[in-house]
Amino acid sequence: EAQVTQNPRYLITVTGKKLTVTCSQNMNHEYMSWYRQDPGLGLRQIYYSMNVEVTDKGDVPEGYKVSRKEKRNFPLILESPSPNQTSLYFCASTINAGGNSYNEQFFGPGTRLTVL
Amino acid sequence: AQKVTQAQTEISVVEKEDVTLDCVYETRDTTYYLFWYKQPPSGELVFLIRRNSFDEQNEISGRYSWNFQKSTSSFNFTITASQVVDSAVYFCALSEAYSSASKIIFGSGTRLSIRP
Repeated sequence: EAQVTQNPRYLITVTGKKLTVTCSQNMNHEYMSWYRQDPGLGLRQIYYSMNVEVTDKGDVPEGYKVSRKEKRNFPLILESPSPNQTSLYFCASTINAGGNSYNEQFFGPGTRLTVL
Repeated sequence: AQKVTQAQTEISVVEKEDVTLDCVYETRDTTYYLFWYKQPPSGELVFLIRRNSFDEQNEISGRYSWNFQKSTSSFNFTITASQVVDSAVYFCALSEAYSSASKIIFGSGTRLSIRP
């Protein structure tokens, strides 16, 4: 079954304790991205990756890191989490970016993070 | 700049009423895609519909219908004979075909509550 998986699904942590949220897709997609969802703001893109070892900042990258060492995985790293990073996080993947034909984006189930 | 506006933050109706969720978008591209997603209380994003900018035909799927009007940059969503299971947050979103980030721009969402 084609899917995007995220782990953990729920996480409560404390300020400053490094954490990683994993994202994995089994569709051989080149493009992956991370979004955060906050009340009244919808979803905003944090980082994206167009292929292995190619990453770039989205709209709200401060406080986050990503890596893309393998095509299927795109972990989101919070080196020193702070309470303002409490949010619902979604990973997404698509076969490639841009062009004038639509490439469907697949979303993971979400990770609810609370930073105390 | 691209933008999606969902002016209705919350809507509450009684079961069996019809309800329309408004969506207004801004883009300079001539080729773009519009979406509606549903987010039930469980938190996952459920894809409902995608429309490309060259297809202004209205769409009906069971109790759901969508009205796409390029002249007013709107893509409204109507639920007919609403049911309690329709209670969720609904997001309208936009993706520009030639965006290098291939990201989806989300509106802030409309929380729909259907009262029995």
